[in-house]
Amino acid sequence: QKEVEQNSGPLSVPEGAIASLNCTYSDRGSQSFFWYRQYSGKSPELIMSIYSNGDKEDGRFTAQLNKASQYVSLLIRDSQPSDSATYLCAARPTGGGNKLTFGTGTQLKVEL
Amino acid sequence: DGGITQSPKYLFRKEGQNVTLSCEQNLNHDAMYWYRQDPGQGLRLIYYSQIVNDFQKGDIAEGYSVSREKKESFPLTVTSAQKNPTAFYLCASTGQGEADTQYFGPGTRLTVL
Repeated sequence: QKEVEQNSGPLSVPEGAIASLNCTYSDRGSQSFFWYRQYSGKSPELIMSIYSNGDKEDGRFTAQLNKASQYVSLLIRDSQPSDSATYLCAARPTGGGNKLTFGTGTQLKVEL
Repeated sequence: DGGITQSPKYLFRKEGQNVTLSCEQNLNHDAMYWYRQDPGQGLRLIYYSQIVNDFQKGDIAEGYSVSREKKESFPLTVTSAQKNPTAFYLCASTGQGEADTQYFGPGTRLTVL
């Protein structure tokens, strides 16, 4: 079973701090990775995709990929209360076409 | 506006009834997917379709059926054989040239009474 693992949280950070969300995956051949944000009762929305080792920055968000260690992380700088949500990590496993495997998500709470 | 629509937003079903959830997209995407989400769990793939008139089972297809007669539409039927159908159902699609990035519709929350 190809898996994506996330700590369910909740992860609590104060407003303005950096939130660090982590994800590990079991399929070493996975090539594509995604972070989605999901507010309570809503559908997931794509935040970032990452395909190469290293960092990818988009505004306050930075995705980090380390294929050797099989982990992906998402950093949120200057965290805001509006960032409070569940963050889903997803990976495209080998041999699965365009199917994605999702983690169970990490709940982030940004406190005033 | 381009996007993915799902209807209805909320659906109530009596035990033993079949219900059909609608998913429509006007993004000209080839691939479409159906997921189920239960509280505290990740998304689990029910069915997916890469092209019209073709679809494959996902990880939890038992008790569900789909059709893909048009590129824009991928309806999901939850049959009476599905033992625990209460869940949040999400439809997604992927376009050509966007590799494997999936975009989601707003979801349908199904409750069995």
